[in-house]
Amino acid sequence: RKEVEQDPGPFNVPEGATVAFNCTYSNSASQSFFWYRQDCRKEPKLLMSVYSSGNEDGRFTAQLNRASQYISLLIRDSKLSDSATYLCSGGGTSYGKLTFGQGTILTVHP
Amino acid sequence: NAGVTQTPKFRVLKTGQSMTLLCAQDMNHEYMYWYRQDPGMGLRLIHYSVGEGTTAKGEVPDGYNVSRLKKQNFLLGLESAAPSQTSVYFCASSYSNSFTDTQYFGPGTRLTVL
Repeated sequence: RKEVEQDPGPFNVPEGATVAFNCTYSNSASQSFFWYRQDCRKEPKLLMSVYSSGNEDGRFTAQLNRASQYISLLIRDSKLSDSATYLCSGGGTSYGKLTFGQGTILTVHP
Repeated sequence: NAGVTQTPKFRVLKTGQSMTLLCAQDMNHEYMYWYRQDPGMGLRLIHYSVGEGTTAKGEVPDGYNVSRLKKQNFLLGLESAAPSQTSVYFCASSYSNSFTDTQYFGPGTRLTVL
């Protein structure tokens, strides 16, 4: 079983829709979690960290559920510019090593 | 402030050839990482470094070597390239191993081994 798994999609949604991605992790010792965004043929860039209490940044909300070992990303009022691949990642307790999921492809259409 | 840069951006090799990928960061970060990204596999850690002069193996280190002679540079070497090493290679850096530290990625090197 992969340490971090996510549904690769693709998710195709209309502008204005709300879409949610889940990501499960197997290492219960993981301490830190992140969502990265990756545009086509570009490098991943941090979208947001995921805190135990949940956190929100504009239209984006991240949640962590330690009991069920998953993190989620909710995007409200989707924009065309949200089309990208979203990578979840979880980190262990040493050297900042992160394990990445395979990415979820989101396409927002007019 | 260029962030993380990688050289070259593209490269085509023949099986058995060698090459070195260069990663440079100007953010004074202690930690540096090399990943490869393949379709459906996500990012996989090849090697990493927690400081100048130190390196360690990641998830998929076979066929690769690394060196961190200077804090700002992290080199990835392929001694004898194989078609299975065709991939996109990303370098990343972070200030420390703090749980909240962000990893900053370079633009990637697209390598094809024929």
